[in-house]
Amino acid sequence: KAGVTQTPRYLIKTRGQQVTLSCSPISGHRSVSWYQQTPGQGLQFLFEYFSETQRNKGNFPGRFSGRQFSNSRSEMNVSTLELGDSALYLCASSFGQFADTQYFGPGTRLTVL
Amino acid sequence: GQQLNQSPQSMFIQEGEDVSMNCTSSSIFNTWLWYKQDPGEGPVLLIALYKAGELTSNGRLTAQFGITRKDSFLNISASIPSDVGIYFCAGANTGNQFYFGTGTSLTVIP
Repeated sequence: KAGVTQTPRYLIKTRGQQVTLSCSPISGHRSVSWYQQTPGQGLQFLFEYFSETQRNKGNFPGRFSGRQFSNSRSEMNVSTLELGDSALYLCASSFGQFADTQYFGPGTRLTVL
Repeated sequence: GQQLNQSPQSMFIQEGEDVSMNCTSSSIFNTWLWYKQDPGEGPVLLIALYKAGELTSNGRLTAQFGITRKDSFLNISASIPSDVGIYFCAGANTGNQFYFGTGTSLTVIP
């Protein structure tokens, strides 16, 4: 069974631009969670989507948004990029039952110049 | 957001030695997960625990779900160079949001 895939793997943007990241979950998984990982803050939860609905949300500004499609693929969008948005963005998929095991993708490395 | 207390923060050990690390939380969890992450890659699931007191092994790795449901432990026996990486714990209660530890960086000296 194929694992979680994320595209692109690397991205370089400049301040003020916007970016869209994509995540395809493991087949059969209906939940996708997004995380931001930085050396100083560790893994920070952004939001979780289940059956095309945002089910949980972390403490990030409204510039960070997401959506999920009917095939469970998910996208994350960051508008008006700031230097501090440089990070490894990870998505994780699960079947979606409460406290269900999450499997991570390889991540997208975003650099904001 | 909530972060779990994971210790030690880093470890430098000789090849062949055993390793122990743990995570504690102020909240009760229903699920504990342990991951290993290599630089620039996503975390890879090592062990999943679903019941208080549960002890689960995966090769040389053994993890336990603490009976208080507020802690978990990971042991690696007979470490080898490929064990190098950062180990994370993660816990979740009744929701589907996981909270992560700050990570333990493991260096194995051949």
